[in-house]
Amino acid sequence: GAVVSQHPSWVICKSGTSVKIECRSLDFQATTMFWYRQFPKQSLMLMATSNEGSKATYEQGVEKDKFLINHASLTLSTLTVTSAHPEDSSFYICSPRPRDGTDTQYFGPGTRLTVL
Amino acid sequence: GQQVMQIPQYQHVQEGEDFTTYCNSSTTLSNIQWYKQRPGGHPVFLIQLVKSGEVKKQKRLTFQFGEAKKNSSLHITATQTTDVGTYFCTFSGSARQLTFGSGTQLTVLP
Repeated sequence: GAVVSQHPSWVICKSGTSVKIECRSLDFQATTMFWYRQFPKQSLMLMATSNEGSKATYEQGVEKDKFLINHASLTLSTLTVTSAHPEDSSFYICSPRPRDGTDTQYFGPGTRLTVL
Repeated sequence: GQQVMQIPQYQHVQEGEDFTTYCNSSTTLSNIQWYKQRPGGHPVFLIQLVKSGEVKKQKRLTFQFGEAKKNSSLHITATQTTDVGTYFCTFSGSARQLTFGSGTQLTVLP
């Protein structure tokens, strides 16, 4: 099956710092990248959708200036949490959509962010 | 927007007992997918249902899509400790983004 990597797998940072999360599709090209987050004991919620080379579309309630998404290539997308606060502590999961249009959804292994 | 609710939120069963989780939508769904998420892990795709009244089986798992395409269920026969995790129903939007149900966390006691 398709391989998706996320880095880092976990990160602990101080309040006010920025954290960058990378998501790579290792054996396929992704025209679209979905970013989800999951708070403890809750479901996954879509944060934003990005298409390669264009600006991301954010879901209601997600601050675009706080969660910066870059999708510069068909195999790499990054999510930067700027000026992180404890309430941003969550499990962030990327989901690249293959360029070939297959229906299968792939997920990265996730990044657990803890903001102190 | 569209939402899907799942019940129960939590379920503890003794190993060997059956387990069922239900997913309900207020609107008709074009498709429904089920995922399993182990603690600390990411969602893993189980199945997709598209047709009204569709029933699919995977070993001890039986998935059903309602006739009105507004509800779905996942039934596990004779649970095992490896079945532990949270089960989510989801549906995909026009851009294939997923809307996740609230999930059912299954605990299997040995």
